[in-house]
Amino acid sequence: KAGVTQTPRYLIKTRGQQVTLSCSPISGHRSVSWYQQTPGQGLQFLFEYFSETQRNKGNFPGRFSGRQFSNSRSEMNVSTLELGDSALYLCASSLIDRLGTEAFFGQGTRLTVV
Amino acid sequence: AQSVTQPDIHITVSEGASLELRCNYSYGATPYLFWYVQSPGQGLQLLLKYFSGDTLVQGIKGFEAEFKRSQSSFNLRKPSVHWSDAAEYFCAVAANTGNQFYFGTGTSLTVIP
Repeated sequence: KAGVTQTPRYLIKTRGQQVTLSCSPISGHRSVSWYQQTPGQGLQFLFEYFSETQRNKGNFPGRFSGRQFSNSRSEMNVSTLELGDSALYLCASSLIDRLGTEAFFGQGTRLTVV
Repeated sequence: AQSVTQPDIHITVSEGASLELRCNYSYGATPYLFWYVQSPGQGLQLLLKYFSGDTLVQGIKGFEAEFKRSQSSFNLRKPSVHWSDAAEYFCAVAANTGNQFYFGTGTSLTVIP
């Protein structure tokens, strides 16, 4: 079956702009989580959605937001981009939102802010 | 608060040699522990996981890990490393709500011929 699909794979934006990243989970999966990966901070949890509801949120400023649609596809948005937002953004999908459920990761979107 | 520590930032081993990657966790209850591997430019792939029961768990690609509650450790091992094992390895603990993971900082593995 198809894996987690993230689009686009690469993105270059200018400081101050906003960006929207997309994640299509594995068919039938209802939980989608987002992570930011940087060399300095490693992998940090952004937020998790289940059945269109945000269940958990990490320690990120309000410029980072997300949503989930009825078909479980998810988008995350970053407004007023800063240089420090340059990172690999990973999406993970799980069948349910139960603790410890295996998460399947996409290949990520590499965002570069210049 | 949950946290994961991977003390080794980078490890180099010869092909065919054994491997052990260290992971220590901090968690108030019984942890749900995972090892993921990331190849350059790729997402994370699950190697193995521990929830309960037998403390020695087997994973894919010949990897295994042992859960030691007394040491708060979940070290990853492989008896004979292949060149294709060169990658970044992440240990993670699942949080107590939903499906949120706390990751360690990762260990980069180089395999020399």
